[in-house]
Amino acid sequence: AQKVTQAQTEISVVEKEDVTLDCVYETRDTTYYLFWYKQPPSGELVFLIRRNSFDEQNEISGRYSWNFQKSTSSFNFTITASQVVDSAVYFCALSEAVGSYTGNQFYFGTGTSLTVIP
Amino acid sequence: DTGVSQNPRHKITKRGQNVTFRCDPISEHNRLYWYRQTLGQGPEFLTYFQNEAQLEKSRLLSDRFSAERPKGSFSTLEIQRTEQGDSAMYLCASSFTFGGSSYNEQFFGPGTRLTVL
Repeated sequence: AQKVTQAQTEISVVEKEDVTLDCVYETRDTTYYLFWYKQPPSGELVFLIRRNSFDEQNEISGRYSWNFQKSTSSFNFTITASQVVDSAVYFCALSEAVGSYTGNQFYFGTGTSLTVIP
Repeated sequence: DTGVSQNPRHKITKRGQNVTFRCDPISEHNRLYWYRQTLGQGPEFLTYFQNEAQLEKSRLLSDRFSAERPKGSFSTLEIQRTEQGDSAMYLCASSFTFGGSSYNEQFFGPGTRLTVL
């Protein structure tokens, strides 16, 4: 089973529309961390946000916002008033805190390719 | 520039040859990670180091893959007897992590694209 599922493979929106990227994760740990990364066409992954499992407070950063719900194991990402520069592949990732100095594991979803049409 | 650097950026090799990639992390970062990314997929975690100790290597793809970080600074990833299926982008990332926590974000390098003919 996938640890991190991003069911939306590709999304296209017209500039200025809002768009939500879904992420569903699976873990048995009580302590874990969730991340979103952006991979623009240039290829280098860029960190956007992290959340630990004890912090369900939603976060807003400019046009970006994140909705973390443990009850549904989801960590969704919304871009408000999308812009062409938002076009990229977005990855959700899970880090499990397995033990202390052994066995941290990291899992990325398959990514959602977002195209913002001018 | 003080980001993560990887060399070479591109490597073309013939099947059966050995290849080695180098990663230089951000200087104050104590953790270094290796991933593989194939077209249309997310990064696939391979292994990571905390300083010079390799803490997780169970997900290295086969015994042909090995990684080292001898002095806790740069790291190398070696693939022996390459196969066409090894063709992919190999990504390195680093982070500063205090204790055993894995919460700190990872900073990624530009990757090394391997093509095995």
